[in-house]
Amino acid sequence: QFVLTQPPSASGTPGQRVTFSCSGSTSDLGRYGVNWYQQLPGTAPRLLIYRNNERPSGVPDRFTGSTSGSSASLAISGLQSEDEAYYYCATWDDDLDGHVVFGGGTKVSVL
Amino acid sequence: QVQLVQSGAAVKKPGASVKVSCQAAGNAFSDHYINWVRQAPGQGLEWIGWVHTDSGDTNYAQKFQGRVTLTWDTSISAAYMDLSSLKFDDSAIYYCARNTPLVLHAFDVWGQGTMVTVSS
Repeated sequence: QFVLTQPPSASGTPGQRVTFSCSGSTSDLGRYGVNWYQQLPGTAPRLLIYRNNERPSGVPDRFTGSTSGSSASLAISGLQSEDEAYYYCATWDDDLDGHVVFGGGTKVSVL
Repeated sequence: QVQLVQSGAAVKKPGASVKVSCQAAGNAFSDHYINWVRQAPGQGLEWIGWVHTDSGDTNYAQKFQGRVTLTWDTSISAAYMDLSSLKFDDSAIYYCARNTPLVLHAFDVWGQGTMVTVSS
C-alpha cells in the first residue's frame, strides 16, 4: 500500500520561509507528479502546485514545490497570516487499476 | 465561471444509501474526470474514485469497490455519487472535483462539499 507521509505541523512568523516535506514509499515520487492542496478552515481544498512545481493561475509565487527521489517539499516564503491552513500532498499510484493517494496533511501555523 | 455545485447535507441510517449530486456550470467539463474525495471530521482527504465525462468510464479506490457508483449525466452536466451500505464511519464531507486539463490526478475545480451524517 503506497503511503505519503507528512509532518503533522509546521510554523513560522510572518515574513519567514517555511518548508515541509512529503515522503513516499517509492524511489521516484515525482514520476507521476506531486500535487499540493491548501485547505483553509471550513473550505474546500484549493490546488496550489501541480506536476511537482507548477502553479495554477492565481497562486502567488511565494509557494514553490520540488521533488527529489522519494520526497517532495512545499516552501512558503514571506509567510502571511492568511497562509495558516492545512496543506496536503497527493500523487498517483499505478498499483492495481491506479488511484490517487493523499498525504495526511500538515497544519501550518503563523505565530 | 467554471464551478461545481453540490447537493445539500444528508442524514442517513446505517445500512442505507446516499446519493450526492454535483452540478457542473460552465462549458469546461468535456473530456474531464470528475473525482470524489471525502473528509471525515478532523481527518485528511481520501480519494473515492472518478468518472469520465465523455465515456462514463469509472475507476474506484479499492476500499469502496462494490459499495460506490459514480455516474455522469451528459444531458444536464451533472455527476452523482451513490454510496450504499452506509456505516457510522462514512460520516464525512464529500467533495466532487474536476481534474486539470494537463494532469489527470490534479484537481483544480472543487465543489463546496456535502456533509453526510450516518446516525441511528
